[in-house]
Amino acid sequence: GQNIDQPTEMTATEGAIVQINCTYQTSGFNGLFWYQQHAGEAPTFLSYNVLDGLEEKGRFSSFLSRSKGYSYLLLKELQMKDSASYLCAVYSGNTPLVFGKGTRLSVIA
Amino acid sequence: SAVISQKPSRDICQRGTSLTIQCQVDSQVTMMFWYRQQPGQSLTLIATANQGSEATYESGFVIDKFPISRPNLTFSTLTVSNMSPEDSSIYLCSDTTANYGYTFGSGTRLTVV
Repeated sequence: GQNIDQPTEMTATEGAIVQINCTYQTSGFNGLFWYQQHAGEAPTFLSYNVLDGLEEKGRFSSFLSRSKGYSYLLLKELQMKDSASYLCAVYSGNTPLVFGKGTRLSVIA
Repeated sequence: SAVISQKPSRDICQRGTSLTIQCQVDSQVTMMFWYRQQPGQSLTLIATANQGSEATYESGFVIDKFPISRPNLTFSTLTVSNMSPEDSSIYLCSDTTANYGYTFGSGTRLTVV
């Protein structure tokens, strides 16, 4: 079966750091995606992790531990525009991505 | 990664009618996927659109309700048939370009009244 868990909602303060966790149990695993989705818009690609460790890209970083079935997305120096849903998705090969339910992040002043 | 043009971006439709959503990719892709995203929910896969063969539907979705066409490697359509208010959702297509960042179309926001 496929099971991807992430928190439903999070709130953080402008300028702070927030970590959004994702745990997964899937029948296959080739990598993990993080997407950002603003209300009413399509998801946009943030990161893709294949190997264990931290991938840093500007204010956003993503971490993967394959042995633990665990990933997190780290957002630094939060800005109001970072208020969005963040979707964790597992890639099992040339197949559809399996998405978690998404974490709605609210950035407050 | 590919660029996908999706249209219409939004529509308000009467119950009982049908709407066809189109996705055009700027490069050839083997498979395209159609997703539904109901309000406040994550993405649910409807079907995989295969070129030259019938689409493969996920549990809970049937061809009569969501017919899909894939006439070539750059284009696909999804029709939402005999619509009811429960079909009000965002519908998204995506490709499988390379191993990075499956690209999504811009989405179609459908409201059925």
